[in-house]
Amino acid sequence: DAGVTQSPTHLIKTRGQHVTLRCSPISGHKSVSWYQQVLGQGPQFIFQYYEKEERGRGNFPDRFSARQFPNYSSELNVNALLLGDSALYLCASSLAVGGAVLDTQYFGPGTRLTVL
Amino acid sequence: AQKVTQAQTEISVVEKEDVTLDCVYETRDTTYYLFWYKQPPSGELVFLIRRNSFDEQNEISGRYSWNFQKSTSSFNFTITASQVVDSAVYFCALSEAYNNNDMRFGAGTRLTVKP
Repeated sequence: DAGVTQSPTHLIKTRGQHVTLRCSPISGHKSVSWYQQVLGQGPQFIFQYYEKEERGRGNFPDRFSARQFPNYSSELNVNALLLGDSALYLCASSLAVGGAVLDTQYFGPGTRLTVL
Repeated sequence: AQKVTQAQTEISVVEKEDVTLDCVYETRDTTYYLFWYKQPPSGELVFLIRRNSFDEQNEISGRYSWNFQKSTSSFNFTITASQVVDSAVYFCALSEAYNNNDMRFGAGTRLTVKP
């Protein structure tokens, strides 16, 4: 079975631009979470979606937004990019059976975003 | 608020040595979940284990073993007879039952296994 997939793999943007990152969960998984991992640090939680609804949000500015589609795939959008947004963006999916969004999360390979 | 501390930033061992990665956590919740993930150079986080707060039994999986002690709020990970392929960054993480949308990671421990 395919794991979590993310696109693109790498991305280079300039300050002030907008970016959209995409994630497809493992088949059957209904919950998707997004994390930002700055070099040398652990991942930081950005958003969690379950059944197309936002279930959690981390401490990130409103420039960050996300959505989940009927097929459970998800997009992360970042507006007005800053140099500090340069990071590896990880998507994770979980079964979330019965809405138990605390199920084990399985991660994709990430999108490495560089902001110049 | 939940917090995970991995005090060891980097560890270097020679192949076949045993190595223990430390993880200390803080939480006010009585129901919580602990995880270990491995991040090889490719970047993808690989799930290794999940423990809930009610299950303090230690676990062994091949060369990997985990020691969960609520009394000291620790969840340590030991690799026996390390191999070069074990070289990676290892993350400990915590999720609280009442704040389960926010999985909190430690800063990670970079393990290098030399041949």
